Amino acid sequence: GNSVTQMEGPVTLSEEAFLTINCTYTATGYPSLFWYVQYPGEGLQLLLKATKADDKGSNKGFEATYRKETTSFHLEKGSVQVSDSAVYFCALTSGGSNYKLTFGKGTLLTVNP
Amino acid sequence: NAGVTQTPKFQVLKTGQSMTLQCAQDMNHEYMSWYRQDPGMGLRLIHYSVGAGITDQGEVPNGYNVSRSTTEDFPLRLLSAAPSQTSVYFCAIRTGTGNYGYTFGSGTRLTVV
Repeated sequence: GNSVTQMEGPVTLSEEAFLTINCTYTATGYPSLFWYVQYPGEGLQLLLKATKADDKGSNKGFEATYRKETTSFHLEKGSVQVSDSAVYFCALTSGGSNYKLTFGKGTLLTVNP
Repeated sequence: NAGVTQTPKFQVLKTGQSMTLQCAQDMNHEYMSWYRQDPGMGLRLIHYSVGAGITDQGEVPNGYNVSRSTTEDFPLRLLSAAPSQTSVYFCAIRTGTGNYGYTFGSGTRLTVV
């Protein structure tokens, strides 16, 4: 079956630091990959996505590249801000389960001023 | 989270009580789903529906019932609440076709005592 593994948090960074949150996956077929963000007390918002190998998703300074050879979709940002403090979820849909999102466990990011 | 409305936002139940979590959408999308979010577990799929009159089980369906009599509504029923059902519940719709995405409601925080 499908599964997503992302680095465990919490991750604590200083403002303007570089961020990487690792995400690897197991899936049948050719998955679509997503990063969702959840700010405190809110629901999930789509941050970025990629639908085929070598695609790069980007939004709000965040980037992730779909790497089929390493089954990875790592999230990066060059300079984090306090407002980026949130929980980040890696997720996928794949194969006959194109309707079903499979999530990683989430990574809590805290950015200090 | 425009377009997906969840009610209530908060609820406290006693063990054995029943209740219905409401989810409504105004965008005429076929696919709707329910997830629960628990600390350290990410989001897990409870039930989903690909259209009116069609529902199916997700990863953690036990203790929950659903029905889909209209395109707009997808209620989640707890027939006899248990403390293990204390969680945050999210409704999600799938939007688009080829370039699809998922939109989440703002969530219902349920506590069963």
